[in-house]
Amino acid sequence: GQQVMQIPQYQHVQEGEDFTTYCNSSTTLSNIQWYKQRPGGHPVFLIQLVKSGEVKKQKRLTFQFGEAKKNSSLHITATQTTDVGTYFCAGPPNTNAGKSTFGDGTTLTVKP
Amino acid sequence: KAGVTQTPRYLIKTRGQQVTLSCSPISGHRSVSWYQQTPGQGLQFLFEYFSETQRNKGNFPGRFSGRQFSNSRSEMNVSTLELGDSALYLCASSGPAGANTGELFFGEGSRLTVL
Repeated sequence: GQQVMQIPQYQHVQEGEDFTTYCNSSTTLSNIQWYKQRPGGHPVFLIQLVKSGEVKKQKRLTFQFGEAKKNSSLHITATQTTDVGTYFCAGPPNTNAGKSTFGDGTTLTVKP
Repeated sequence: KAGVTQTPRYLIKTRGQQVTLSCSPISGHRSVSWYQQTPGQGLQFLFEYFSETQRNKGNFPGRFSGRQFSNSRSEMNVSTLELGDSALYLCASSGPAGANTGELFFGEGSRLTVL
C-alpha cells in the first residue's frame, strides 16, 4: 500500500534558525496537504499543493511539491517559538479517490 | 461557523469493554474521516464516511466500526477493548467534494485510555 515518509522525525533549532521537513511518497500523489499540530492540540490545515513543481509561500513558510508529485517539503525561515509543533504531510494516491495517508510527522522544538 | 465537535473528550475504559465516540462535522460537510493517533504510530486512517456510506477503510481489525447518520454526524465503536487501543481518536470533516480534494477540518479528539 501507499507509504508516506517524513524526515527528520525530530528537529531542535535555535530561534532564528531555518527548518525544513521532507515528505516522500511511495506512489504518485494527486495532491499533498500539510498540517500543523501544536502540543496537546489537533492537526490544523496549512496548505494544499496540486500541481507538479508547485511552490507556495505563507509568510515565513515555503511549501514545494516535487516535479514527479512524489515528494514535498516545508521550509520555515527564521523560526519563532510559535512554530513549535508537529508538521504532517498527507496525500491521496493518484490512482483512485482513496484515503489520504499521513506521514509520521516532524516534531519541531525551538529554543528561545 | 462551528467547528468539528467530538464527544466525549476524555474517557477511561477497561479491557474487554466497548466504547462509542461521536463526531459532529462542520455544517454542510458530508465527509467524515476517523484517525487514530498514538505516539509511536502517528496518524492512522480508520475509515471515511460520505453520505452515510463507508467509502474507504484502513487496516484495522473488525473490532473497529463506524457509521454515519443522515445529518452527517458519525460515530465509531470499538468493541472488546485492548490496552493498545489507548490513543487519541480524531475525527475530520471535509467539504462537498470529499476528503481527498480539500482540507480536512479536525476536531479536538477523544482521548481514550484503556486500563
